[in-house]
Amino acid sequence: NAGVTQTPKFQVLKTGQSMTLQCAQDMNHEYMSWYRQDPGMGLRLIHYSVGAGITDQGEVPNGYNVSRSTTEDFPLRLLSAAPSQTSVYFCASTMQGPGELFFGEGSRLTVL
Amino acid sequence: AQSVTQPDIHITVSEGASLELRCNYSYGATPYLFWYVQSPGQGLQLLLKYFSGDTLVQGIKGFEAEFKRSQSSFNLRKPSVHWSDAAEYFCAVRANQAGTALIFGKGTTLSVSS
Repeated sequence: NAGVTQTPKFQVLKTGQSMTLQCAQDMNHEYMSWYRQDPGMGLRLIHYSVGAGITDQGEVPNGYNVSRSTTEDFPLRLLSAAPSQTSVYFCASTMQGPGELFFGEGSRLTVL
Repeated sequence: AQSVTQPDIHITVSEGASLELRCNYSYGATPYLFWYVQSPGQGLQLLLKYFSGDTLVQGIKGFEAEFKRSQSSFNLRKPSVHWSDAAEYFCAVRANQAGTALIFGKGTTLSVSS
């Protein structure tokens, strides 16, 4: 099993550009979530989803959009990238709450 | 609102010495608590979790944690630290009643000296 797959692993953007971080899981997990990790800040929850068609905001949702059209995929969109969004992004999934979250390997984004 | 506090940003322990990493949480209902470890450049690995029952929880790699409701704490311990334990450790609490996502502390970096 691939588990949770994130693409791309590295990306450099210019301010104002848009992009989508992809997240796919093959474990048939209902729940998926996105986090950003910054030095000294730990991981902060951006958005999460409890199933196809259902999403909700986390701690730091501003500047990010998500959608969940299928159980497998949970893309994170940056509509107009800002330097403050330079971070490492992690996607995670779990079968049902409360349970262990399975994390992807992360996507390192740099916004110039 | 739910939150997690890890008071120690950085801890250095001698190899073979004991370790305790502190975690305090804020959650209105029954908390579900987790400890994760992250090695440099790597993803997160679950060390242990507490949902209910025995307040002393055993995890992987010889780690354990004790849930103390009266102190709102979930401290991580290991009796004898190995050099390979050097990493960043995160305590987390469920973000909502369903436990579909987590709220993390800011992390504690563990260095191991020889």
